[in-house]
Amino acid sequence: DSGVTQTPKHLITATGQRVTLRCSPRSGDLSVYWYQQSLDQGLQFLIQYYNGEERAKGNILERFSAQQFPDLHSELNLSSLELGDSALYFCASSGPGGGLFFGSGTQLSVL
Amino acid sequence: GDSVTQMEGPVTLSEEACLTINCTYTATGYPSLFWYVQYPGEGLQLLLKATKADDKGSNKGFEATYRKETTSFHLEKGSVQVSDSAVYFCALGAQKLVFGQGTRLTINP
Repeated sequence: DSGVTQTPKHLITATGQRVTLRCSPRSGDLSVYWYQQSLDQGLQFLIQYYNGEERAKGNILERFSAQQFPDLHSELNLSSLELGDSALYFCASSGPGGGLFFGSGTQLSVL
Repeated sequence: GDSVTQMEGPVTLSEEACLTINCTYTATGYPSLFWYVQYPGEGLQLLLKATKADDKGSNKGFEATYRKETTSFHLEKGSVQVSDSAVYFCALGAQKLVFGQGTRLTINP
């Protein structure tokens, strides 16, 4: 168990809809990272938050947004969903020792 | 930008065989290097890491050495087990990590 909690584990929705993925980092970790894993693109970094502030942005679509709350949990919002958004979405947190600790992911299926 | 290239998979071996999964990187500066493992239906787990040149990371019988001169971080294990079947990812970075495409490893009994 990495200590990073993601909910829900599975999400099935339709094109055009909006969903919210939730992540709680390991106790004491201030940074949260979101990654998308798909068969064709591999693991793609989306966005990083540190103590509530956006720290780095990767290949995140404009239809996607994220935030980190004062209790350090984070949410990734995906809107106007398309079939190609179907993927595994991972959250990770990092501590002072380096390296990322990943949650078990949310499997999103857009039908 | 920084990038990681892993050997193409899938890789299939028999139990007790020797394993090498190649990983090379391009990066500015001196990033830390990592190997992660992903078992079916699970998230990525940190397997080992090295933070500077010539460092050797090791865990669960796996080893990798940070080679600055060849910009490589190959993963090795002397005798694999069926339970090692998984997807292995090489990664680099300080905080935000850049991952290779992953190598699927299957070990047959």
